[in-house]
Amino acid sequence: SQQGEEDPQALSIQEGENATMNCSYKTSINNLQWYRQNSGRGLVHLILIRSNEREKHSGRLRVTLDTSKKSSSLLITASRAADTASYFCATAPIASSASKIIFGSGTRLSIRP
Amino acid sequence: DVKVTQSSRYLVKRTGEKVFLECVQDMDHENMFWYRQDPGLGLRLIYFSYDVKMKEKGDIPEGYSVSREKKERFSLILESASTNQTSMYLCASRGQGYGYTFGSGTRLTVV
Repeated sequence: SQQGEEDPQALSIQEGENATMNCSYKTSINNLQWYRQNSGRGLVHLILIRSNEREKHSGRLRVTLDTSKKSSSLLITASRAADTASYFCATAPIASSASKIIFGSGTRLSIRP
Repeated sequence: DVKVTQSSRYLVKRTGEKVFLECVQDMDHENMFWYRQDPGLGLRLIYFSYDVKMKEKGDIPEGYSVSREKKERFSLILESASTNQTSMYLCASRGQGYGYTFGSGTRLTVV
């Protein structure tokens, strides 16, 4: 079963605009992670936010976590063509093995030049 | 740079063949994982291993087995390949931190 569900499934924006993707999950978590996948490639770890954190920044990335709503958002500011990729959230449920995380289905982001 | 290397980017095999997908990591990570990725279904965990010779089933282990004889190598085995195993296979590893490091993937086609 899907723990994390991203929204929207696909997003197309103009270069320079900000992109916001959302993730909802069902069970209590230890942490939530965001990954990027370029077409036909493996996933790259972007950022991790722990359950006791509300916001985290890394360069042009900003992640928020609302454990009361069981949701997270990933904001990419000043988007670039190279940001075109699929973005996945992944959750580490408290009840699960410490090593296992569960991926959502992803958001496909397209940046128009 | 830390690395997870999958032996093949593209593979074409015949139905009924035994298929080996190899994954090697150079980070001395304890945990290794095999996922398959299909359109609309996201990443689904097939098997994972938290130590040498240790393995646990993931969400979709049927038709697959794994081997971890050495810490750096985690092999996925398709005992008798079938067309519904045509997919992108992704290997990942994780050390003491929480983030996963993924390989570039193997796109397997079973004909």
